[in-house]
Amino acid sequence: SQTIHQWPATLVQPVGSPLSLECTVEGTSNPNLYWYRQAAGRGLQLLFYSVGIGQISSEVPQNLSASRPQDRQFILSSKKLLLSDSGFYLCAFSREVNTEAFFGQGTRLTVV
Amino acid sequence: AQSVTQPDIHITVSEGASLELRCNYSYGATPYLFWYVQSPGQGLQLLLKYFSGDTLVQGIKGFEAEFKRSQSSFNLRKPSVHWSDAAEYFCAARPSGGYNKLIFGAGTRLAVHP
Repeated sequence: SQTIHQWPATLVQPVGSPLSLECTVEGTSNPNLYWYRQAAGRGLQLLFYSVGIGQISSEVPQNLSASRPQDRQFILSSKKLLLSDSGFYLCAFSREVNTEAFFGQGTRLTVV
Repeated sequence: AQSVTQPDIHITVSEGASLELRCNYSYGATPYLFWYVQSPGQGLQLLLKYFSGDTLVQGIKGFEAEFKRSQSSFNLRKPSVHWSDAAEYFCAARPSGGYNKLIFGAGTRLAVHP
């Protein structure tokens, strides 16, 4: 069966520090991968999506970047965090183009 | 622009009462449609999905949703709400033309009174 792992679960980082959130998928090949951010009391904002290794599409200009070094690995990064980067980050995958997405348990990021 | 709208930010119902959460989409063609539920501090769990065919879709946990093309709606319903249904509910849509993005509504937070 397919599973998705996302870590860490919580993270507190100072302003200006770097960020690296990792997401891995098991049990499927060539998944479509997604990073979403959920700010407090708000919906989900699509940040990045990837349809293959090294293929990243950015939805919103911002302080973050994403990479896909391996087929089932998706990384969200920042060189210097801002206070506004605080939020709940969710990684997701879908098996095929138009199927449903499956979500990780999320990372609560607090920038202080 | 493609969008998903959930008009109700918060809804409160009594346990045992019926529930309907609204969702409207704005797309050129009928997209694939989904409902997800999120418990506090957790990821999202898929409740049900609509791709084509029967416009009344059954999901997990006793939920169902009805697709109405004329109203561009995909409302989620449950005949009798349980206290454990208190959570946030998200409607989502994906264009059916081979594009990959899944777009979410802003969510509806459901509170259940005993």
